[in-house]
Amino acid sequence: GENVEQHPSTLSVQEGDSAVIKCTYSDSASNYFPWYKQELGKRPQLIIDIRSNVGEKKDQRIAVTLNKTAKHFSLHITETQPEDSAVYFCAASKGNYGQNFVFGPGTRLSVLP
Amino acid sequence: NAGVTQTPKFQVLKTGQSMTLQCAQDMNHNSMYWYRQDPGMGLRLIYYSASEGTTDKGEVPNGYNVSRLNKREFSLRLESAAPSQTSVYFCASSEGGPRNEQFFGPGTRLTVL
Repeated sequence: GENVEQHPSTLSVQEGDSAVIKCTYSDSASNYFPWYKQELGKRPQLIIDIRSNVGEKKDQRIAVTLNKTAKHFSLHITETQPEDSAVYFCAASKGNYGQNFVFGPGTRLSVLP
Repeated sequence: NAGVTQTPKFQVLKTGQSMTLQCAQDMNHNSMYWYRQDPGMGLRLIYYSASEGTTDKGEVPNGYNVSRLNKREFSLRLESAAPSQTSVYFCASSEGGPRNEQFFGPGTRLTVL
């Protein structure tokens, strides 16, 4: 089955710097890659997603890149702010339904003032 | 819209007790999911329901049962709770289809003594 790895497990950056989180997946049939943000004690919320027919997607300070050949995708956050501090999860899915939704273990991002 | 709601928010059980976690969504979504989240780990799929009337096992189904009561409601039952089932449980729903964004409920924090 699908296996999703995520690095780093923790990341500290200075406010205003950029943060990059990388995920790798094992199943070449995966075709949908969302990123979720989870603040302490709260539910995960989708922040950006990308499908396998697209190489890059941007939404204001957040971008995701996908390399299908290498089977990895990355989350890029620019001009980080304290409210970006949270745990970020990547996931990979290959079906129309979530039965193949496999999450990475998460990255705890701390933005230091 | 309330989105995805879960009850209860917190629960403490003794080993061997049973309980049912309730989940409801008001977004007319076809698919619903139950995940567990353990400290330092990502979300692991317990069971899912691709559409009303169907349920299937996810990655970690042992010790759990589910019921898709109707399109809105999806319950998770622990028949004989064990300390290893101490976790935070999230219910989620999605339309299904190519994008498959999942919307999460607020979670239930379960402790089994």
